[in-house]
Amino acid sequence: AQSVTQLDSQVPVFEEAPVELRCNYSSSVSVYLFWYVQYPNQGLQLLLKYLSGSTLVKSINGFEAEFNKSQTSFHLRKPSVHISDTAEYFCAVSGQNFVFGPGTRLSVLP
Amino acid sequence: GAVVSQHPSRVICKSGTSVKIECRSLDFQATTMFWYRQFPKQSLMLMATSNEGSKATYEQGVEKDKFLINHASLTLSTLTVTSAHPEDSSFYICSATLAGDSTDTQYFGPGTRLTVL
Repeated sequence: AQSVTQLDSQVPVFEEAPVELRCNYSSSVSVYLFWYVQYPNQGLQLLLKYLSGSTLVKSINGFEAEFNKSQTSFHLRKPSVHISDTAEYFCAVSGQNFVFGPGTRLSVLP
Repeated sequence: GAVVSQHPSRVICKSGTSVKIECRSLDFQATTMFWYRQFPKQSLMLMATSNEGSKATYEQGVEKDKFLINHASLTLSTLTVTSAHPEDSSFYICSATLAGDSTDTQYFGPGTRLTVL
C-alpha cells in the first residue's frame, strides 16, 4: 500500500523568509508525485508535479520541489515567501492509487 | 486548460431534504471523476470514484444509498446527498482526470460547502 507523510502539520514563517515543507512517501511501485495548494474556502490547485526526467520541478510562483528516490522524499521549497502564500499544502502520490498526505498549513507572518 | 467547475458553491438545506452537486470538466473529457469530503482543518477523504457510464466505486464506510453518484457523460458527474442530516455538513470537492493521461493527474473543482440545518 502507498502512503504519504507530511511531518509538519503547521509551519509559521515570516514574510520573505525561506520555507521547506516536507513530504515523504512509501510505495512498492514507481510513483508520480504532486503538490497541491488549497487557499481558504477553495478547492485544490495543482502546484507542481514530478513525472519523470529532471528531479527538480518548478512552479510559476517560485515554488520548487525535488524528487529524491533514495530518501523517498519530495520536499517543497520557496526561497522567499509572501503573505499570499498562506494556505494548506498537500503532497500526493499516484501509483497503485492516488493518495494524499494530511496537509501542512503554511502561515506567512508579516 | 483542465478546468473543473462545481455547482453550487454553497448550499444550505433543511434536514431530510436532498441536495445535488454538479461537477463539470469544462475544457476536457474526464475519464474518471472523484468525490472527496473535507472536514475543517483536515485532509481530503475520498468518498467514491466514478467512470462515465458505469456505477461508482465507493470507499469503505461510505453509504452508497445516501451519496448517489451519477456520471452520465465524459464532462459531468453529480453527487446527490439524500435525506441530508446535520452531520452531512461538510466541504465536498470533486476532481477529474484527463482521458488518456497515464499519470492520473487530478484536477480539482472549487468545492461545494453544504450546510444542513
